[in-house]
Amino acid sequence: DTGVSQNPRHKITKRGQNVTFRCDPISEHNRLYWYRQTLGQGPEFLTYFQNEAQLEKSRLLSDRFSAERPKGSFSTLEIQRTEQGDSAMYLCASSLGRGDSPLHFGNGTRLTVT
Amino acid sequence: AQRVTQPEKLLSVFKGAPVELKCNYSYSGSPELFWYVQYSRQRLQLLLRHISRESIKGFTADLNKGETSFHLKKPFAQEEDSAMYYCALYNQGGKLIFGQGTELSVKP
Repeated sequence: DTGVSQNPRHKITKRGQNVTFRCDPISEHNRLYWYRQTLGQGPEFLTYFQNEAQLEKSRLLSDRFSAERPKGSFSTLEIQRTEQGDSAMYLCASSLGRGDSPLHFGNGTRLTVT
Repeated sequence: AQRVTQPEKLLSVFKGAPVELKCNYSYSGSPELFWYVQYSRQRLQLLLRHISRESIKGFTADLNKGETSFHLKKPFAQEEDSAMYYCALYNQGGKLIFGQGTELSVKP
């Protein structure tokens, strides 16, 4: 499968702990997106990269969230001092970056904060 | 404000009945609109995009700028169409904004 890959698939952590998720995009895609999805809602934009540059970060994203995409390949999303409200599905997607280029999504990482 | 609204959380129809999933958008520029679908236990995937004016799996969607709508239609629903459907708007800043989603349930 040469699609978008996300690891881990599931993460259970205690409140206050730090977690890091990884996303490997489709190799020729230069754009990479992070979304968050909670039950009954559509995907909510968090941030995106054009190659290694982080072009936009949602105002909804607190300072506890940080994302990186070193060398413009894989990306990591870190959440520090997790809170129960961070429990959600975290989706990664990649695209060629043209206006009508569709986003290709991974299976997501489901985070549960206890 | 840039926004996508899907007024129905759940749409339930019988097999063979017509289907229309509603989507309205708010955007000041020239919109690029998409429909994404998520079947049970599968990842979110593109269904169709307005710029292509294509029919995928019997679904079509027409952009109506006057009504700011991009409703998804299919004349005869099939059980395998049961899924979550998301309307999405691609803004000039380069990000995709999703609606809340509509669950389509097609009963035999």
